[in-house]
Amino acid sequence: DSGVTQTPKHLITATGQRVTLRCSPRSGDLSVYWYQQSLDQGLQFLIQYYNGEERAKGNILERFSAQQFPDLHSELNLSSLELGDSALYFCASSPRAQVYNEQFFGPGTRLTVL
Amino acid sequence: SQQGEEDPQALSIQEGENATMNCSYKTSINNLQWYRQNSGRGLVHLILIRSNEREKHSGRLRVTLDTSKKSSSLLITASRAADTASYFCATDANSGYSTLTFGKGTMLLVS
Repeated sequence: DSGVTQTPKHLITATGQRVTLRCSPRSGDLSVYWYQQSLDQGLQFLIQYYNGEERAKGNILERFSAQQFPDLHSELNLSSLELGDSALYFCASSPRAQVYNEQFFGPGTRLTVL
Repeated sequence: SQQGEEDPQALSIQEGENATMNCSYKTSINNLQWYRQNSGRGLVHLILIRSNEREKHSGRLRVTLDTSKKSSSLLITASRAADTASYFCATDANSGYSTLTFGKGTMLLVS
């Protein structure tokens, strides 16, 4: 158990819908990272937040957005969902802003768009 | 494009044998990390090697890094069935606000 929690574990929804994925980092970790894992694209970095502020952006679509709240939990919002958004979404956390050290991954949310 | 690329894509060995996986990357890095993922679960950090290190050990794991060839290898000695998983290398590019870039992984089957 990494100490990172993600809810829900599974999500099934229809195209065009909007969903929110939630992540609670390890106690004391200030950085939260979001990743998308699919068979064709592999594990793609989406976005990083550090202590409430966006720090780095990766291959995140404009239909996706995220935020980190004062209690440091984070939410990833996916809107106007398409079939291709079906994937595993992982949240990870680390103590500091830099990626010089290991990241601790949550169990993931499996999103299925029908 | 992926910064790290693992080779082979899949590897099947018998228990007790050694497993070697390779990773190549394209740009200068601060460090390189290896992670393990059991089927459909979250990634678990295995080991980190910094750009000024050449070799690192952790239990049955041995990682080497050759920055001149932009490559790394992960050796798992005396493999066990429980080592069955996908293994990913992740690089931290040496520029700007660095992020981790993962390869597509090597799927290891130990039977």
